[in-house]
Amino acid sequence: EAQVTQNPRYLITVTGKKLTVTCSQNMNHEYMSWYRQDPGLGLRQIYYSMNVEVTDKGDVPEGYKVSRKEKRNFPLILESPSPNQTSLYFCASTPAGRGTDTQYFGPGTRLTVL
Amino acid sequence: AQRVTQPEKLLSVFKGAPVELKCNYSYSGSPELFWYVQYSRQRLQLLLRHISRESIKGFTADLNKGETSFHLKKPFAQEEDSAMYYCAHGFNSGGSNYKLTFGKGTLLTVNP
Repeated sequence: EAQVTQNPRYLITVTGKKLTVTCSQNMNHEYMSWYRQDPGLGLRQIYYSMNVEVTDKGDVPEGYKVSRKEKRNFPLILESPSPNQTSLYFCASTPAGRGTDTQYFGPGTRLTVL
Repeated sequence: AQRVTQPEKLLSVFKGAPVELKCNYSYSGSPELFWYVQYSRQRLQLLLRHISRESIKGFTADLNKGETSFHLKKPFAQEEDSAMYYCAHGFNSGGSNYKLTFGKGTLLTVNP
């Protein structure tokens, strides 16, 4: 089944403890991105990647890192999480980042930073 | 900066009533606009895109360049339409980079 998967789905951690949220897609998509969803703020793009080894900042990249060593994986790294990064995170992929392409979203990861 | 505005955070209608979810964008070029929907406890999924001129689940959206709007409409709302709706605008941000900007979303509740 074509899909985008994220792990973990739920995570509670403490301030400063490094964490990684994984994202994987099995559709051979070139374009992948990370969003955070917050009440009243909607979805905001954190980082995106046009292809392997090509990444760029979205609208709210501060405090996050990403890597794209393989086409299928696009992990989100929080080196030193803080409480303001408590949010619902979505990974998405698109065949080639063209304007007409559908974004396929993962199920979301709910992160709480204490 | 490109902007997508959804003026209504909440919209409540009765079953069978018409519904319109508003979306305005700011972009001087040819926009690429989408509506995404998120049902309770489910992932976001594409509802429709302006380039396809399609009708999905009874919803339609017309691009009005003069008013820079892409409102989502349905003539007769159903209870299963209750969800969060996001308007999104895709654009080339330089070179081959493509970004998608979302509005803040409108929570639609269809009452029985």
